[in-house]
Amino acid sequence: DAEITQSPRHKITETGRQVTLACHQTWNHNNMFWYRQDLGHGLRLIHYSYGVQDTNKGEVSDGYSVSRSNTEDLPLTLESAASSQTSVYFCASSESLGDPGDTQYFGPGTRLTVL
Amino acid sequence: QKEVEQNSGPLSVPEGAIASLNCTYSDRGSQSFFWYRQYSGKSPELIMFIYSNGDKEDGRFTAQLNKASQYVSLLIRDSQPSDSATYLCAVRDNYGQNFVFGPGTRLSVLP
Repeated sequence: DAEITQSPRHKITETGRQVTLACHQTWNHNNMFWYRQDLGHGLRLIHYSYGVQDTNKGEVSDGYSVSRSNTEDLPLTLESAASSQTSVYFCASSESLGDPGDTQYFGPGTRLTVL
Repeated sequence: QKEVEQNSGPLSVPEGAIASLNCTYSDRGSQSFFWYRQYSGKSPELIMFIYSNGDKEDGRFTAQLNKASQYVSLLIRDSQPSDSATYLCAVRDNYGQNFVFGPGTRLSVLP
């Protein structure tokens, strides 16, 4: 079955370190998204991609970067981790069928703690 | 800035009752509206979507949309303790691919 996976599921790191969170989907979806979820803020968009070599900044992109070299993967890099980046990170993907019901499907999430 | 608002709750209802979850949005250009359920420690999962004014039913769930009032709701009939979760409202505009999520409403169904 097609799916979307994230790794690691839990990560503890120190302030100032570079961290990369992996996202891999086998849906063959064009669109991929990274969100962070914090109490009181809901899901906030960090970066997104509509296809290979395409990346765009979302609402809370400062301190994060992504690259899209193939359809299946959109890794999220924290260049220099900060305590404010402690959060739960979700990757999502969707198809672009031009259908009003085009839906985003979520990975299981990565819980990141920055000490 | 496009905004989606929900009451954070918790909304408590007795088992077997109807739970009513509400969502308002700021962007009049919004076209499609999605309800996700998120259990504690899990990822959001889609319940249903709606894009036409009126009601849409799927089993025990009914989504209601009023574009003039910029309001969308989710009704859960015969609520069960297993429905206890946070419900996220998401809005997509003009057939674009990005969603804006509300903060979620926490529902507690009491046995």
